[in-house]
Amino acid sequence: NAGVTQTPKFQVLKTGQSMTLQCAQDMNHEYMSWYRQDPGMGLRLIHYSVGAGITDQGEVPNGYNVSRSTTEDFPLRLLSAAPSQTSVYFCASSYDGTLRAGNTIYFGEGSWLTVV
Amino acid sequence: GNSVTQMEGPVTLSEEAFLTINCTYTATGYPSLFWYVQYPGEGLQLLLKATKADDKGSNKGFEATYRKETTSFHLEKGSVQVSDSAVYFCALTNGQTGANNLFFGTGTRLTVIP
Repeated sequence: NAGVTQTPKFQVLKTGQSMTLQCAQDMNHEYMSWYRQDPGMGLRLIHYSVGAGITDQGEVPNGYNVSRSTTEDFPLRLLSAAPSQTSVYFCASSYDGTLRAGNTIYFGEGSWLTVV
Repeated sequence: GNSVTQMEGPVTLSEEAFLTINCTYTATGYPSLFWYVQYPGEGLQLLLKATKADDKGSNKGFEATYRKETTSFHLEKGSVQVSDSAVYFCALTNGQTGANNLFFGTGTRLTVIP
């Protein structure tokens, strides 16, 4: 059971380049989301999805695109990378999007992105 | 709105010392509260949670009690170990968006020295 898998783990981009961070989960989870982690700011929600074909914006969506064509995958696209997008990105998933007790959110190991 | 405030670190303790990391929150409705731990170079792992007022979450010797009257969820451990060195995040969800989205505090780095 691989859990939540993110690739790549490290990436350096030039300003203006585009790229996709991949996220896959093998737990048949309906809910998936992307967070970014910046020093002194904790983790902030970028986009989330409560099921295949459904996505919505979080707290900091600008400059990012997502799609959810399958239950397993939730890629995050940087359209035109900027130095302000230098961060650590975490993908997360849970069985569904509700607050039921026991509905734990699982995180991937993170993707370190540097934009120069 | 939703927000989480936790004590700033870093916190350095000697092995077997008592640990408290303060966390207070602002939320509408009835949030669920969580503590996540991040070990060096790894993702976040759920440490413990509480889903309603007066609930106590506990795991690996850590515990936290959901206090609605003081809007707090302080993390405690009676005797820390070197292996507890990590960054600890307090977080909440309250389903305002209809989804299980987490709102995080800024994190507290704990270092335990032998």
